[in-house]
Amino acid sequence: DGGITQSPKYLFRKEGQNVTLSCEQNLNHDAMYWYRQDPGQGLRLIYYSQIVNDFQKGDIAEGYSVSREKKESFPLTVTSAQKNPTAFYLCASSYWQGGENIQYFGAGTRLSVL
Amino acid sequence: DQQVKQNSPSLSVQEGRISILNCDYTNSMFDYFLWYKKYPAEGPTFLISISSIKDKNEDGRFTVFLNKSAKHLSLHIVPSQPGDSAVYFCAASEVNTGGFKTIFGAGTRLFVKA
Repeated sequence: DGGITQSPKYLFRKEGQNVTLSCEQNLNHDAMYWYRQDPGQGLRLIYYSQIVNDFQKGDIAEGYSVSREKKESFPLTVTSAQKNPTAFYLCASSYWQGGENIQYFGAGTRLSVL
Repeated sequence: DQQVKQNSPSLSVQEGRISILNCDYTNSMFDYFLWYKKYPAEGPTFLISISSIKDKNEDGRFTVFLNKSAKHLSLHIVPSQPGDSAVYFCAASEVNTGGFKTIFGAGTRLFVKA
């Protein structure tokens, strides 16, 4: 059963705390992405990785960090420097074939601040 | 500055009628466009795409039209069904040095009334 698994589904963060959101894919995709969705807004790109051990900042990378040590995994850490972390976080992976780049998404993690 | 705009936050349509969702973009370098469908508390799922070399792509009840000169694309759903009720995101991407970077619109919530 191939797909993208995000965990946990719900996460609470205390002030000054770092939290890590998990994203695992078994689709053998090279590229992986993290997006943030706020109410009434589209998906904003946080970080993306085209290949293992390499990643680039997206439009709103401040206060976040990522790693890509394995092809299957792309965890996102929300650091204490992110002052407004409450949002719905979506992970995606994609392949590039024939000029097409279709992203497949996980079910998301909803992060709230206590 | 929003590069991809969906100006209608919501749309209500009677079952069996046509739903038309619109999207405008500003970056002339975009060369690949996609529509995603999203149910609450789930990740978006890919619906249909179109390359900039085409002006129409059809898949069953779903058709996407691209007008490059107007920087406008639209998604037509015919006939609309209650199960189509969801948020629809327009997305656009261009190939850059880091690979594909996809920009999403804010989404349009479609209500199909039975």
